[in-house]
Amino acid sequence: NAGVTQTPKFQVLKTGQSMTLQCAQDMNHNSMYWYRQDPGMGLRLIYYSASEGTTDKGEVPNGYNVSRLNKREFSLRLESAAPSQTSVYFCASSETFQGQPQHFGDGTRLSIL
Amino acid sequence: GENVEQHPSTLSVQEGDSAVIKCTYSDSASNYFPWYKQELGKRPQLIIDIRSNVGEKKDQRIAVTLNKTAKHFSLHITETQPEDSAVYFCAAMGNFGNEKLTFGTGTRLTIIP
Repeated sequence: NAGVTQTPKFQVLKTGQSMTLQCAQDMNHNSMYWYRQDPGMGLRLIYYSASEGTTDKGEVPNGYNVSRLNKREFSLRLESAAPSQTSVYFCASSETFQGQPQHFGDGTRLSIL
Repeated sequence: GENVEQHPSTLSVQEGDSAVIKCTYSDSASNYFPWYKQELGKRPQLIIDIRSNVGEKKDQRIAVTLNKTAKHFSLHITETQPEDSAVYFCAAMGNFGNEKLTFGTGTRLTIIP
């Protein structure tokens, strides 16, 4: 089992460019999450999907959009990247929605110049 | 919303000694408290959790205690080993429509051989 797979692992963007971070899980989990991790600030929830077909804002949703494409996949899109979005992004999943991510992906290290 | 404070931010412990990391939370309705371990450059991993109807939970060398009255919870690691070196995050989750985790800012634990 691969668990939670994120692509890409690294990306450098210029300010104003757009991109989509991909996430897929093979554990048949219902809930999926996107977090960002910045130095000294822990993990902050961007968006989550409690179940297939639903998405909701987390703590820091501004500048992002998400799509729950199917039960396996949950993508995060930056429409117009800004330097403040430089961060490490983690996708996570859990069997049911109780707010706690059980399994994380390896992360995407994103730099915005 | 929930606010979680974590102390200390860094902790160095001699191998074989015990380590204690403390967190306080603000929302008295919070009822789920997980702890995550993140090794350098790796994904966070759920290592132990506790719910509000339990005061203490143990899993081999790690234990978590919860004091609901004082709104604080702690992670205890006994007989520390070099592989315990990592950043540890606490988190808290509410209920009744607020089932999202709020993370602490992390504790960098270093085990000195």
